[in-house]
Amino acid sequence: EAQVTQNPRYLITVTGKKLTVTCSQNMNHEYMSWYRQDPGLGLRQIYYSMNVEVTDKGDVPEGYKVSRKEKRNFPLILESPSPNQTSLYFCASSPWTGQSNQPQHFGDGTRLSIL
Amino acid sequence: GENVEQHPSTLSVQEGDSAVIKCTYSDSASNYFPWYKQELGKRPQLIIDIRSNVGEKKDQRIAVTLNKTAKHFSLHITETQPEDSAVYFCAASSPSGSARQLTFGSGTQLTVLP
Repeated sequence: EAQVTQNPRYLITVTGKKLTVTCSQNMNHEYMSWYRQDPGLGLRQIYYSMNVEVTDKGDVPEGYKVSRKEKRNFPLILESPSPNQTSLYFCASSPWTGQSNQPQHFGDGTRLSIL
Repeated sequence: GENVEQHPSTLSVQEGDSAVIKCTYSDSASNYFPWYKQELGKRPQLIIDIRSNVGEKKDQRIAVTLNKTAKHFSLHITETQPEDSAVYFCAASSPSGSARQLTFGSGTQLTVLP
């Protein structure tokens, strides 16, 4: 089954404790992206990647890191989490034709609480 | 960068009526405009999309229109049903330079009253 898998689905942690949210897709998609969803603000893009070893900042990259060492994986890293990073996070992937975006497939989301 | 504004933030309609959600975008180079539906506690799912070389697209009860001159696009849902109740997001993709960002609107909570 074609899917985007995020882990963990829920995490409660404390300020400053490094954490990683994993994202894996089995559709051989070139494009992968991370979003955070906050009430009234919709989905805001954190980072995206158009292929292996190619990553770019989205609208809200501060406090986050990503890597794309393999095509299927795109982990989101919070080196020193703070309470303002408490949010619902979605990973998404899509094919990339080289000209414009294609429909994105979203994971089930990761609800992160930073105390 | 791209800026997408979405209205209204909440919309209530009677079952069987039509619903219209409107979005405006700022970057005239944007060329891809998807709409996503998100049910409570679920992931966003694509319901329809349109590209800048097309003015209108329909899929059963759902249609999207695009006015490139005015830089706005709209989602139209006809004969609404209770299962259409969800949050709907519009988005615009700006291909400026090497960037391939997708910018979302703030969402519309649609409630279909039985």
